[in-house]
Amino acid sequence: DTAVSQTPKYLVTQMGNDKSIKCEQNLGHDTMYWYKQDSKKFLKIMFSYNNKELIINETVPNRFSPKSPDKAHLNLHINSLELGDSAVYFCASSTPLRTGPYGYTFGSGTRLTVV
Amino acid sequence: GQQLNQSPQSMFIQEGEDVSMNCTSSSIFNTWLWYKQDPGEGPVLLIALYKAGELTSNGRLTAQFGITRKDSFLNISASIPSDVGIYFCAGRRQGNQGGKLIFGQGTELSVKP
Repeated sequence: DTAVSQTPKYLVTQMGNDKSIKCEQNLGHDTMYWYKQDSKKFLKIMFSYNNKELIINETVPNRFSPKSPDKAHLNLHINSLELGDSAVYFCASSTPLRTGPYGYTFGSGTRLTVV
Repeated sequence: GQQLNQSPQSMFIQEGEDVSMNCTSSSIFNTWLWYKQDPGEGPVLLIALYKAGELTSNGRLTAQFGITRKDSFLNISASIPSDVGIYFCAGRRQGNQGGKLIFGQGTELSVKP
């Protein structure tokens, strides 16, 4: 039933490791995103994909590599994790902005802690 | 990066009171969204606004798209304990490719029973 689901919900790992977060949406949306929420709760976009094509890369370090195997999935791989990568990462998906209800739905987040 | 200026940052109110919060920007937006985030969860869309001057309600929540297209406000009437959480405004700029939302800093609401 979950509209945008991401796994895992919690991820604790050591500096220097490589990790992945997975996201899937069953809403039929064309566009998917990764957002980062820092310790002050500020939300900032990282990437946007439309039908598997990268649209936005918001000056994110090269250690972050998104991959979209199909329009329902958008995964995030992070290499050589650093302490500063600790944050909550949200996946989201949206409909095109047309007239009528605008669906822009977030997953429940992955709390990444780098130690 | 660009931010929306959201105020107040936090509010401590008594159950039953009304609440107002607002967002302003130096840029024009063509869509304003208001979200609520509960602890450990993602933001949940409350209200979406598409036209300047638009006033939209969702139960006890009312939001307006400012006439200048540079601001929006959210009112919550007769607050209840379950209104506790962080409220975010978010805007989408005209001509935006890729659906990027720009978020305010959030308003943390506490409701005392």
